[in-house]
Amino acid sequence: ETGVTQTPRHLVMGMTNKKSLKCEQHLGHNAMYWYKQSAKKPLELMFVYNFKEQTENNSVPSRFSPECPNSSHLFLHLHTLQPEDSALYLCASSQGLAGPYEQYFGPGTRLTVT
Amino acid sequence: AQSVAQPEDQVNVAEGNPLTVKCTYSVSGNPYLFWYVQYPNRGLQFLLKYITGDNLVKGSYGFEAEFNKSQTSFHLKKPSALVSDSALYFCAVRGGFQKLVFGTGTRLLVSP
Repeated sequence: ETGVTQTPRHLVMGMTNKKSLKCEQHLGHNAMYWYKQSAKKPLELMFVYNFKEQTENNSVPSRFSPECPNSSHLFLHLHTLQPEDSALYLCASSQGLAGPYEQYFGPGTRLTVT
Repeated sequence: AQSVAQPEDQVNVAEGNPLTVKCTYSVSGNPYLFWYVQYPNRGLQFLLKYITGDNLVKGSYGFEAEFNKSQTSFHLKKPSALVSDSALYFCAVRGGFQKLVFGTGTRLLVSP
């Protein structure tokens, strides 16, 4: 999984904390994504960036704030989270947004909100 | 609107037997179809994709998938299952310039 890396792999935070998740892709891709994966729920697409411009925000609460400084890096800033935000957060990248391009995923950050 | 269905929450198969994980889809126009696998506490790993051409697509780890346009299906198959194939499998579809839509996943359990 050296193509897409995510740090930290595990994070425990209180509801009043501020933390950030980091994603880096080494594949030369142009598009990057944040997904939320909760137990017994479908994969939820949160944000999409293409050439570091946000192209999609799927009604994600403002306590999640993405940042994409360049095509290789993606951050997810977290503040005043709720216990229901506990989940596996996955970053992915792809060569393009549409067409036959598959997405490559990082290992995820397991987030626990206490 | 696009959609993808994985009708089985779990598939059980004995090691050495063939396996099939089912996927059906609905999309406008020609579909791009994908299969991913997820091992515990890991991200999704790309297995194979169908773009056009031959209906039988071969992918990683001996997996293959058969595209059937009339039945709008893209079932994942493997001739001989391994215990190490036990994981969560996701089907995904995209129609043209639309976004990628994932199924809810099927857990494959291969018993020794």
